[in-house]
Amino acid sequence: EPEVTQTPSHQVTQMGQEVILRCVPISNHLYFYWYRQILGQKVEFLVSFYNNEISEKSEIFDDQFSVERPDGSNFTLKIRSTKLEDSAMYFCASGGEANVLTFGAGSRLTVL
Amino acid sequence: KQEVTQIPAALSVPEGENLVLNCSFTDSAIYNLQWFRQDPGKGLTSLLLIQSSQREQTSGRLNASLDKSSGRSTLYIAASQPGDSATYLCAVIGTGNQFYFGTGTSLTVIP
Repeated sequence: EPEVTQTPSHQVTQMGQEVILRCVPISNHLYFYWYRQILGQKVEFLVSFYNNEISEKSEIFDDQFSVERPDGSNFTLKIRSTKLEDSAMYFCASGGEANVLTFGAGSRLTVL
Repeated sequence: KQEVTQIPAALSVPEGENLVLNCSFTDSAIYNLQWFRQDPGKGLTSLLLIQSSQREQTSGRLNASLDKSSGRSTLYIAASQPGDSATYLCAVIGTGNQFYFGTGTSLTVIP
């Protein structure tokens, strides 16, 4: 069964450093998403991406965050200058239709 | 803004019991409702997807129902097994194609 693949599975970084989380969506999907889950809290929507541009973003997705689909297969989330409160599990999801999603296993980000 | 609530927050049952997990949402204008399973420190595994025009979906020992008008869904697990121990998340998707997740129900099935 097709999978959404995320790398790295776990990244530890110093506060203020830039981090790039990578996702390989299912190949024929058109809709891409990033969600995050702070430990013990709800899974929260960050951003959706369709037709090579952001279609929706939440208030969490501020200027420190950006997304890119650099080569037609990867979908990346960049955090420019990490803060302690960015520590979370970040989930990528993709969908062939806008409202039926497959989630990746997540990338755990720890900011020290 | 859509709010999704799951009750109970935690549940512990002996192996073999049938159980029901509850999910409620405030805005009935949804496209789909999806139930996920999350093991500790792991990703989200989709269990069942109910489209807004459907009232229930079944997969093996799992049955999910949806009552849009009352803003409720239930996940029924029959003959629970220790391997069912996990956190179960309910998520609804509405206008704007955003998934709104509940905080989950942590299930422990005792052998």
